[in-house]
Amino acid sequence: EAGVAQSPRYKIIEKRQSVAFWCNPISGHATLYWYQQILGQGPKLLIQFQNNGVVDDSQLPKDRFSAERLKGVDSTLKIQPAKLEDSAVYLCASRGLAGGLRELFFGEGSRLTVL
Amino acid sequence: SQQGEEDPQALSIQEGENATMNCSYKTSINNLQWYRQNSGRGLVHLILIRSNEREKHSGRLRVTLDTSKKSSSLLITASRAADTASYFCALWDSNYQLIWGAGTKLIIKP
Repeated sequence: EAGVAQSPRYKIIEKRQSVAFWCNPISGHATLYWYQQILGQGPKLLIQFQNNGVVDDSQLPKDRFSAERLKGVDSTLKIQPAKLEDSAVYLCASRGLAGGLRELFFGEGSRLTVL
Repeated sequence: SQQGEEDPQALSIQEGENATMNCSYKTSINNLQWYRQNSGRGLVHLILIRSNEREKHSGRLRVTLDTSKKSSSLLITASRAADTASYFCALWDSNYQLIWGAGTKLIIKP
């Protein structure tokens, strides 16, 4: 079974530029998460999708961050314009519905450096 | 904040020793999980313990849960260099939100 795929793995941009991250979850997983992880901290939820609908985006800075999951499969997270404090690893995770509140499966992450 | 709290923040031990890290939380839980994150990689699920369980084992891992004290511990026995990583607890609360700890950084010295 293929895992969660993310790209790019690394991205360096100047502040005020834009960037997009892509995630393809495990096949059949209805729930998809985007997390931001700053060095030395735990993951912070940005947005949660259930199929192609948003379940929770309360911590997403909507003035600069956007995310979509149009067909209920892969997802894109965009930052525009980027700020220095957006330097972090962006983690995508997915979860199947069967079996209730179980584990999340994570991709390798996309490391963003904003200069 | 609903964030789980882990201690210690960092732990350095000799290879072959046991490593214990703790997670405390504030809310009611459905279950509690532990994840490992190697440097520069994603998180990997290690073990899940339900709220009605007190102890669970998986290989060299032993997890305990004390819901009266709202705390859990992860014990790694006979540590190896490959166990060097950050370890995070995550708990599903009664509102079906997943709450993450800040992690314990474990270094195994050869």
